[in-house]
Amino acid sequence: IAGITQAPTSQILAAGRRMTLRCTQDMRHNAMYWYRQDLGLGLRLIHYSNTAGTTGKGEVPDGYSVSRANTDDFPLTLASAVPSQTSVYFCASRKDREGTEAFFGQGTRLTVV
Amino acid sequence: AQTVTQSQPEMSVQEAETVTLSCTYDTSESNYYLFWYKQPPSRQMILVIRQEAYKQQNATENRFSVNFQKAAKSFSLKISDSQLGDTAMYFCAFVGIQGAQKLVFGQGTRLTINP
Repeated sequence: IAGITQAPTSQILAAGRRMTLRCTQDMRHNAMYWYRQDLGLGLRLIHYSNTAGTTGKGEVPDGYSVSRANTDDFPLTLASAVPSQTSVYFCASRKDREGTEAFFGQGTRLTVV
Repeated sequence: AQTVTQSQPEMSVQEAETVTLSCTYDTSESNYYLFWYKQPPSRQMILVIRQEAYKQQNATENRFSVNFQKAAKSFSLKISDSQLGDTAMYFCAFVGIQGAQKLVFGQGTRLTINP
């Protein structure tokens, strides 16, 4: 792995199903983020984590949960998917408190039907 | 809470022209970082330029420069001698260095460079 990787790349999911989007980075970045991208709304922050063992809520956290058991992994779970969660999801990481850039995964296109 | 606003959903210019994308933000923090990211159709997110709030000098990267007005909480991006490859979505972003350190993005501006 080089950088930050998301899986799956795309997924069609039945409403009501549980789904976990995976995110792994090998840069030893402390901070990690999950965003959803919707046309006209930009990138909206769902959840974030400043360090392993801690997480926080972003702008649109309802219906999503995250965990940060270690530095490298930051999975996003949809407990019971709804059609309004159809979106492109991006995971990102950056090095703690410095003004360093965020590195992004390639995105996951999720369609809830 | 920090917010970032991009008021121009779409812009279109001719190749070689100069274009300015607007961004305003709201925060109570005194030191922070601002970024412009580019997202071409490939969906990849690419850093264009960054600015530290304590630095009065505007950042410049080749054809890209910013006009950072801290008092007005404004952070515009100027692209000079625009090229076809500049066609993309552009996002303005903010992150503070204290507290929660949320990296917050604006709504984006879709820029089209016409030949």
